[in-house]
Amino acid sequence: AQKVTQAQTEISVVEKEDVTLDCVYETRDTTYYLFWYKQPPSGELVFLIRRNSFDEQNEISGRYSWNFQKSTSSFNFTITASQVVDSAVYFCAVGGHNFNKFYFGSGTKLNVKP
Amino acid sequence: DSGVTQTPKHLITATGQRVTLRCSPRSGDLSVYWYQQSLDQGLQFLIQYYNGEERAKGNILERFSAQQFPDLHSELNLSSLELGDSALYFCASSDTGAPSDTQYFGPGTRLTVL
Repeated sequence: AQKVTQAQTEISVVEKEDVTLDCVYETRDTTYYLFWYKQPPSGELVFLIRRNSFDEQNEISGRYSWNFQKSTSSFNFTITASQVVDSAVYFCAVGGHNFNKFYFGSGTKLNVKP
Repeated sequence: DSGVTQTPKHLITATGQRVTLRCSPRSGDLSVYWYQQSLDQGLQFLIQYYNGEERAKGNILERFSAQQFPDLHSELNLSSLELGDSALYFCASSDTGAPSDTQYFGPGTRLTVL
């Protein structure tokens, strides 16, 4: 079965600090997808990134970067120079080649203080 | 604004009742997804439709059902409601329904069962 562990329940940082959100996944599928979503205090869900299991290249998008390491089954998310607007709950998820097996982690609440 | 609309925004009902949640996907998107976010269960994928047909099923209870209509809007029907069904229900849409798609989320419907 798929499973996602986000061990950090809540993290607090001061603006401009870098922060890494951890995500460890379990899957028996050889083809799978990894996702990160953001849920700001307003409550909506925002898709951030998707990675497939064959692409281990790290990705950078502005202040956001993602580190996918198949050897440790991890897909960590780093925010560089955090801002107050980054305050949100971040969810990691893993899915198979279709959505019959799709699981979210429990989320990490990030508080960025001015 | 993601372009995905959900109605109603809030719904308060009693145990044993039946409710219908509605979702209109982004223009051009053929696939619709339903998710449940509750305090007990966290975020869960419920079901996916593509062009009117069920494509994937997650942790959807037998008391729940969904459909996607020819105009591509979708409805999630929840019956014999229990207190534990109180949750935020999100709809998302994507163009092809593949895991490689970007999903766009609606604002959610908050269901309170009293």
